[in-house]
Amino acid sequence: LAKTTQPISMDSYEGQEVNITCSHNNIATNDYITWYQQFPSQGPRFIIQGYKTKVTNEVASLFIPADRKSSTLSLPRVSLSDTAVYYCLVGDMMGSARQLTFGSGTQLTVLP
Amino acid sequence: DTEVTQTPKHLVMGMTNKKSLKCEQHMGHRAMYWYKQKAKKPPELMFVYSYEKLSINESVPSRFSPECPNSSLLNLHLHALQPEDSALYLCASSQGSWGNEKLFFGSGTQLSVL
Repeated sequence: LAKTTQPISMDSYEGQEVNITCSHNNIATNDYITWYQQFPSQGPRFIIQGYKTKVTNEVASLFIPADRKSSTLSLPRVSLSDTAVYYCLVGDMMGSARQLTFGSGTQLTVLP
Repeated sequence: DTEVTQTPKHLVMGMTNKKSLKCEQHMGHRAMYWYKQKAKKPPELMFVYSYEKLSINESVPSRFSPECPNSSLLNLHLHALQPEDSALYLCASSQGSWGNEKLFFGSGTQLSVL
């Protein structure tokens, strides 16, 4: 199983950079790593996706080492509105079917 | 249109009721999903439809019955639910090919079973 492991919670202050690491030791060769953000009573929202090395978009960066057994989501200069749960997601196989299973996620709390 | 629309947003039902949750997307995505989420827990996968065919059923009780009438619509029919079935029910569709799917979620239906 391509299970993911993340810290349960993290605290940060406004304006700081936050790095959340996810381990996925059994990631499949063709699988990408995708990160989602979820606010209470809303559906998760796509943040960023990558396969290897570094990916950057307007809201985050994603760092993936060569062995791809982990990944780090980097949020630059967080604000109070970044308080949310962050999930990393990799695929998993159920027989011949592919499923996308969420791990426990990381509750990020940004303090003033 | 990059939205997944779920209705209703809130639903209260008794254990003998029959109700349906609806989900719609017009992004041309060919895979659609139902997830269940309890408070402070991650979403749990229930069903996956691929090209309008059920490809994954995560051992969900038969009181939950999914239906995919066409490529844009996904329903979840509810019957004889239990109070422990109270949760946020999330619909999603996905873009991308095998390995790099991106999930697009609706806002969910908050279900309370009395």
